[in-house]
Amino acid sequence: DIQMTQSPSTLSASVGDTVTITCRASQSISGLLAWYQQKQGKAPKLLIFKASSLKSGVPSRFSGSGSGTEFTLTISSLQPDDFATYYCQQFGGTFGQGTKVETK
Amino acid sequence: ESQLVESGGGLVKPGGSLRLSCAASGFTFSNAWMSWVRQAPGKGLEWVGRIKRESDGGTADYAAPVKGRFTISRDDSKNTLYLQMNSLEAEDTALYYCCSGNSGLGDAFDVWGQGTRVTVSS
Repeated sequence: DIQMTQSPSTLSASVGDTVTITCRASQSISGLLAWYQQKQGKAPKLLIFKASSLKSGVPSRFSGSGSGTEFTLTISSLQPDDFATYYCQQFGGTFGQGTKVETK
Repeated sequence: ESQLVESGGGLVKPGGSLRLSCAASGFTFSNAWMSWVRQAPGKGLEWVGRIKRESDGGTADYAAPVKGRFTISRDDSKNTLYLQMNSLEAEDTALYYCCSGNSGLGDAFDVWGQGTRVTVSS
């Protein structure tokens, strides 16, 4: 089974900061990686698919990159609405353990 | 608007069984690979398993912790996904989400239900 490892598990940041979350796969998953945002008490929401494609309606401050086994999610100019937990997922399967973005 | 609505959750004793349902609307259910994802209280997302569309064989795959105990099925005539859970353990306590994978998005889950809660306790 493919394992997904996210880092950091918690990230403290301020509004306006640029933050980066890393996701590493235990074996190559080509570009079949997705990123989700989850807020407390809500279902996750898809942000990025195929590693770097932004889902329609998602703000352009979110971006994804990477291939093979190393991937990143970057949020440029963090907004108040972005404080949440973020998960990576490989090819409709295993999730990373999550990264909570909290207020510094 | 695409929508998934889960039902069937509740309190069950260890060793018991429960069947969850997920009713789909607003998209072509029969074309979708459907999955179940769970989230234990205060924990992260855990993929439970998925079932392919019939045209891709209709087979199901499962995560190791539930393999042999859980069964995913679908009824395309009713636009409904099921999760049969047997031999339930305390560790199965979680909010269970039904999700639709979109092949055009690399099988990313673009539609999620609101979840149904399962509690396994004596």
